[in-house]
Amino acid sequence: EPEVTQTPSHQVTQMGQEVILRCVPISNHLYFYWYRQILGQKVEFLVSFYNNEISEKSEIFDDQFSVERPDGSNFTLKIRSTKLEDSAMYFCASTLRDVGAYEQYFGPGTRLTVT
Amino acid sequence: RKEVEQDPGPFNVPEGATVAFNCTYSNSASQSFFWYRQDCRKEPKLLMSVYSSGNEDGRFTAQLNRASQYISLLIRDSKLSDSATYLCVVERGHSSASKIIFGSGTRLSIRP
Repeated sequence: EPEVTQTPSHQVTQMGQEVILRCVPISNHLYFYWYRQILGQKVEFLVSFYNNEISEKSEIFDDQFSVERPDGSNFTLKIRSTKLEDSAMYFCASTLRDVGAYEQYFGPGTRLTVT
Repeated sequence: RKEVEQDPGPFNVPEGATVAFNCTYSNSASQSFFWYRQDCRKEPKLLMSVYSSGNEDGRFTAQLNRASQYISLLIRDSKLSDSATYLCVVERGHSSASKIIFGSGTRLSIRP
């Protein structure tokens, strides 16, 4: 069964450093998403991406964040200058968004720890 | 007021019991509705989509009441493996400009 994959599974970085989180969505999916979940809190929407551009973003997704689909398979989230409060689990998701296929499939997540 | 509200629980019920979760949403423009389950430190996994007519998948039944902006999930004959956090998820907007809102989740613990 096709699945969304994410690397690395755990990233430790120092405050102020840049990090890039990587995702490989399901191959025939067209819409891509990033979410974050701070430990013990709810899943929060960050950004959606379609047709090589951001289609929707939340107030969390400020200028420190960017997304890219550099080739036909990878979807990346970059945090330019990490802060302690960026420590969270980051989930990538994808969906086909066709009739009867609106559900999103999530990757296993990258745990980001900012020290 | 939160856009998607759920009772956080925890619900602690014996194996075999029937348990019901409720969820309310505040934005009447919401279009699509889902229940996901999340195991500890794992990714959310789709349990079922929720349709206006209601839908059933084995032991799970989901209902949507658009007039009351209310979604429910019923689990019958609960199993130990049903222990998880159940997330109510609402999507508003259309197509590429939609936004997904997660509820905070309801924790369920099934005891033997």
